[in-house]
Amino acid sequence: QLQLQESGPGLVKPSETLSLTCTVSTGSVTSNSHYWGWIRQPPGKGLEWIGSIFYSGNTYYNPSLKSRVTISVDTSKNQFSLKVTSVTAADTAVYYCAREADDYDSWGQGILVTVSS
Amino acid sequence: QAGLTQPPSVSKGLRQTATLTCTGNSNNVGNEGAAWLQQHQGHPPKLLSYRNHNRPSGISERFSASRSGNTASLTITGLQPEDEADYYCSAWDSSLSAQVFGTGTKVTVL
Repeated sequence: QLQLQESGPGLVKPSETLSLTCTVSTGSVTSNSHYWGWIRQPPGKGLEWIGSIFYSGNTYYNPSLKSRVTISVDTSKNQFSLKVTSVTAADTAVYYCAREADDYDSWGQGILVTVSS
Repeated sequence: QAGLTQPPSVSKGLRQTATLTCTGNSNNVGNEGAAWLQQHQGHPPKLLSYRNHNRPSGISERFSASRSGNTASLTITGLQPEDEADYYCSAWDSSLSAQVFGTGTKVTVL
């Protein structure tokens, strides 16, 4: 069964860059059938799509976050990554990585990232 | 980013039927339909229904999805205590080239 695991710092200072990695196990990021995405959820709030990437490097981003977000893929490590620049308290959330097979059918456990000085 | 509209909460009795709605527009729900996800407190979301209304392996037949125009629906029959959770719809918006999520519905089983 496909497994996804988010990793990265749990605390980021305001104005700095948030960086997370998702490691894919029992599956491959080079699948022709799937995009790989990032979704976040502020405490007590709903889901917000951040963006997604195909193994070729093709990306889609949330228009409201596009200027601050970069998603990349490392096929040699079977990982994909997220960077969010110039973070503020509003970026505090649980960040999930997920596989998109038409829809998001496999999710990581999520990682809480707090933006605070 | 425009989202999909869901009622904030639905409450039904044990073994009753709950119907959740998700309203979008012709660029998202009305175009390719909506998927449905269930999220229990402290856990990641779980896919209940693909946008084509098929259920992933292991999902109970008590969950069924449908669509009429720009509104998608999820029907939960024979409500059980474990069905208490937050439910989200999601769809691809062709005008935004972006995924959009619903606002979420909290289901309470009385």
